[in-house]
Amino acid sequence: DAGITQSPRHKVTETGTPVTLRCHQTENHRYMYWYRQDPGHGLRLIHYSYGVKDTDKGEVSDGYSVSRSKTEDFLLTLESATSSQTSVYFCAISVGPGQYFGPGTRLTVT
Amino acid sequence: AQTVTQSQPEMSVQEAETVTLSCTYDTSENNYYLFWYKQPPSRQMILVIRQEAYKQQNATENRFSVNFQKAAKSFSLKISDSQLGDTAMYFCAFGETSGSRLTFGEGTQLTVNP
Repeated sequence: DAGITQSPRHKVTETGTPVTLRCHQTENHRYMYWYRQDPGHGLRLIHYSYGVKDTDKGEVSDGYSVSRSKTEDFLLTLESATSSQTSVYFCAISVGPGQYFGPGTRLTVT
Repeated sequence: AQTVTQSQPEMSVQEAETVTLSCTYDTSENNYYLFWYKQPPSRQMILVIRQEAYKQQNATENRFSVNFQKAAKSFSLKISDSQLGDTAMYFCAFGETSGSRLTFGEGTQLTVNP
């Protein structure tokens, strides 16, 4: 399973509150990614990281920020959650030509 | 920007039969990678098979094989001897280079009927 964990696995929060999702890997892979999955859209890239403190935006980055202070952890923050951010969030790592995914976090913003 | 299109939102197949899922993509790159991922009801994303564009030989993994047509920008997945456990959402994905971000299609929900 490539040693990727995500926490929390489920979260319900209210509009306007900050939320942080955590991705943890155990194998020191350089590249890490955050995607969101919504019906009819497949997975879309939010942000990615190519090393400690090195991050960049994906196609749906508005309303999200990320941080990577250690190789093993990649955090995704919703500064002020909105209902449109209700989704399933996946973290992934790059292992050669291909990515391996964490189990996902289901986030509901009410 | 690359795009990936899966034109079949849903498909069904009888157990033990063969089914083919379609995927087309658009890119101006000459070398790249293509993937099929499986997402069962557990929600876990599982890498099924990958193809490097510079390799002419189609990739095969047990009952899963691809038909890669580079000129047509087509990358279909064939599942032979379908099993109930193959019931899942299948996503086609494109990657420019090893380690690069992936662009996903919208997915095809495959149901294998007993």
